[in-house]
Amino acid sequence: DGGITQSPKYLFRKEGQNVTLSCEQNLNHDAMYWYRQDPGQGLRLIYYSQIVNDFQKGDIAEGYSVSREKKESFPLTVTSAQKNPTAFYLCASSRGSNTMDAFFGQGTRLTVV
Amino acid sequence: GESVGLHLPTLSVQEGDNSIINCAYSNSASDYFIWYKQESGKGPQFIIDIRSNMDKRQGQRVTVLLNKTVKHLSLQIAATQPGDSAVYFCAEEGVDSSYKLIFGSGTRLLVRP
Repeated sequence: DGGITQSPKYLFRKEGQNVTLSCEQNLNHDAMYWYRQDPGQGLRLIYYSQIVNDFQKGDIAEGYSVSREKKESFPLTVTSAQKNPTAFYLCASSRGSNTMDAFFGQGTRLTVV
Repeated sequence: GESVGLHLPTLSVQEGDNSIINCAYSNSASDYFIWYKQESGKGPQFIIDIRSNMDKRQGQRVTVLLNKTVKHLSLQIAATQPGDSAVYFCAEEGVDSSYKLIFGSGTRLLVRP
């Protein structure tokens, strides 16, 4: 079955460490996105990529980095520069056309200990 | 700037009643809107979408209404069931054609048995 997969589901990180969240899709979607969700709040866009080897900053890109070497994969690295990394991270993909039928992964909950 | 907001942060309804979740958007140039449902600890799921050339669109037990005059979007759920309990987000497509989704802060729907 086609879908979008995030891993791990739960992740713990020590302060000062970088950590990478995985996002893989087999939907043949061109566009992929990373969102951050804090408790009781909506989703905020971190980075997005419309095509392989290209990506753009979203609204809260500081302290994060991404790569898009393959169409299927869009990993997100939370760096030590991110001052408040504890959050729920959601990856999404879409065909990148005007229909914007984005499919979301099940999320990764990152906790800094 | 662009923003999408919700009037009611929490909505409590009796099982079997109809639910109406509202959303206000600020950018009159937006032409595509989506409603998502997010259950606890999971990623958002697509419910229904609508384009700005439409006023109403119906799905299974759900209806989305778009009033462009007052920049208002609503989601109507008929015969609300316990399984409808979740947080509902409206989202609009970024008008810079970058295929970004701008999310509101969400409304929590609680269904009373």
